[in-house]
Amino acid sequence: KQEVTQIPAALSVPEGENLVLNCSFTDSAIYNLQWFRQDPGKGLTSLLLIQSSQREQTSGRLNASLDKSSGRSTLYIAASQPGDSATYLCAVWVHGNKLVFGAGTILRVKS
Amino acid sequence: DGGITQSPKYLFRKEGQNVTLSCEQNLNHDAMYWYRQDPGQGLRLIYYSQIVNDFQKGDIAEGYSVSREKKESFPLTVTSAQKNPTAFYLCASSLGRDNEQFFGPGTRLTVL
Repeated sequence: KQEVTQIPAALSVPEGENLVLNCSFTDSAIYNLQWFRQDPGKGLTSLLLIQSSQREQTSGRLNASLDKSSGRSTLYIAASQPGDSATYLCAVWVHGNKLVFGAGTILRVKS
Repeated sequence: DGGITQSPKYLFRKEGQNVTLSCEQNLNHDAMYWYRQDPGQGLRLIYYSQIVNDFQKGDIAEGYSVSREKKESFPLTVTSAQKNPTAFYLCASSLGRDNEQFFGPGTRLTVL
């Protein structure tokens, strides 16, 4: 059974700092991996989708990497801003046509 | 504006009542999904549908039912058999299997 773990559970950084969020999964047989952002009381916003054949994806200040063999993904946020404060969720597509989610990392960027 | 809408935003249910949560999408996506989110936990899949008139149980389907009569709509009924229904419910859609998944704004259900 696929399990997704996100470390750290919470992170607080000063504005302007570069930061890395970690995601690990137990079964490397994934179709792709998706990173989401969730603001309190809201739905999820898709940030990046990495296909299983890709190593990384970039969107603006965000860069996500994928290492299937080691079961790891990282989300790099450059020059963090207070507006980046949210919960970040990692999810992997697995056989059986479903997404398996991690519990998330709560990020707070202090101004 | 293309997207996913869910209604109502807040829903209150008395013990023993069935309630139906609405989910509509105008993205022309074939696949639709229902998730449940509890504090401190990741999202858990309730039901999903790959095509009209077909749906499959997810990891926590007991006490829930769905229908998929139209491509755009995937309503979720929370029945009285669901013992702990208080949660945040999220609907999502995608073009198909392992395509990027998009989410609605969610419905918060509270049992009184």
